[in-house]
Parts: sequence; C-alpha cells; structure tokens
Amino acid sequence: DTGVSQNPRHKITKRGQNVTFRCDPISEHNRLYWYRQTLGQGPEFLTYFQNEAQLEKSRLLSDRFSAERPKGSFSTLEIQRTEQGDSAMYLCASRKLSYEQYFGPGTRLTVT
Amino acid sequence: TQLLEQSPQFLSIQEGENLTVYCNSSSVFSSLQWYRQEPGEGPVLLVTVVTGGEVKKLKRLTFQFGDARKDSSLHITAAQPGDTGLYLCAGEDTDKLIFGTGTRLQVFP
Repeated sequence: DTGVSQNPRHKITKRGQNVTFRCDPISEHNRLYWYRQTLGQGPEFLTYFQNEAQLEKSRLLSDRFSAERPKGSFSTLEIQRTEQGDSAMYLCASRKLSYEQYFGPGTRLTVT
Repeated sequence: TQLLEQSPQFLSIQEGENLTVYCNSSSVFSSLQWYRQEPGEGPVLLVTVVTGGEVKKLKRLTFQFGDARKDSSLHITAAQPGDTGLYLCAGEDTDKLIFGTGTRLQVFP
C-alpha cells in the first residue's frame, strides 16, 4: 500500500509566476484534502474533494488558488500570480470515507 | 472559529525524562488525532481517540481524550532522542481537521 505522494517536493518561483502542484492519494481513498502550513504553525485546511467533487473551500483559498481532481484520482493545486505570502508547505492528505487522514510529504513553495 | 491550543509550545529535555503535552479547545470534537512531524516532511499519524475519557497507549506514549471531548493530552515516558519532532493535535470538524498550534520537542542524549 503506497502512501500519498506529492510533486514536486520543492518549488522556487518568482513573484507573479504561476505554479502547479500534484498530489497522488492512496488508491481507493475517495477523499482528498489540501492544507497549507507556514513556519512554526500547524496546517490549515484549504479545500477537499470527495471523488471528483470539490465539497468545501476555506476562505483562505483566494481567487488565485484553484484545485481540481478531474477523474477522482490525483489532484492538482494551482496558484496564479504568486505572492511572497504564498510561501509555505502545501500538504495533501487522503482518507477512505471517515477514517483517518494520511498525509503526503508536502511541497515546499518559496516565492522570491 | 474553532481553535486548538497546545502547550507548551517548546520543550527541551534530557533523554530519560517524562513529559506531557496538552491540547485544549472550547469546542467539542467527534474525534481527535495526534501527529508527529519531522522537518520538511508531512505529519505522521500516531493515534486517533474518539470516546470521552478514552486512554490509548502506544509503547512509551499515552494519549488521553477528555471526558467532554474538548481536550487531550500526550504523555511520553522515558523520552528518547528519536522522539524529537513537532507534535500536533487535530480535531475532526465536519470532515476536515483543525490543527493545534504544535509543540516542538527536542530530546538531548
């Protein structure tokens, strides 16, 4: 049973550029979550999917952020026109129904 | 807004000492998870507690869920350098997790 994988692990980009991250959940996990974690803080919920449907979005998710899970398997998180405040660790987690969430290793984004 | 506060924020101890980390909220959670996170990695699930008053043991780690399901504690006996990391509690809130502020533990040999 492979775990949650995320790519890339690290991304450095210049302010104003667009970036896209990918998350591959544990197979057969129908729920997929995105969280953001800044230095010294706990992760904060951004959005989640049940299969291909996006069920909830946090108010933290500005219009520059968009997430998709087109076939109910992997998911992408895109940030347009990145700002320095977007620098953070972006974490993906998956779960089967209401069981525990399992996290991937994260994508560390640095906006210069 | 539901908040989970953890204390202490930082803890530096010698190998062999015991410690307790607290996770408190004014809200009731249907379940509460504890995670440990290493630098540059995602959180790794340690335990889930569901029932008020529940106590779970994982080797040298003891987890307790408060009777009212608003608070929890993690007790480590005879800490080892391998226990070093960021400990996070997280409450289940309508299908998503609300994380605590974290406790950074450093265990020196």
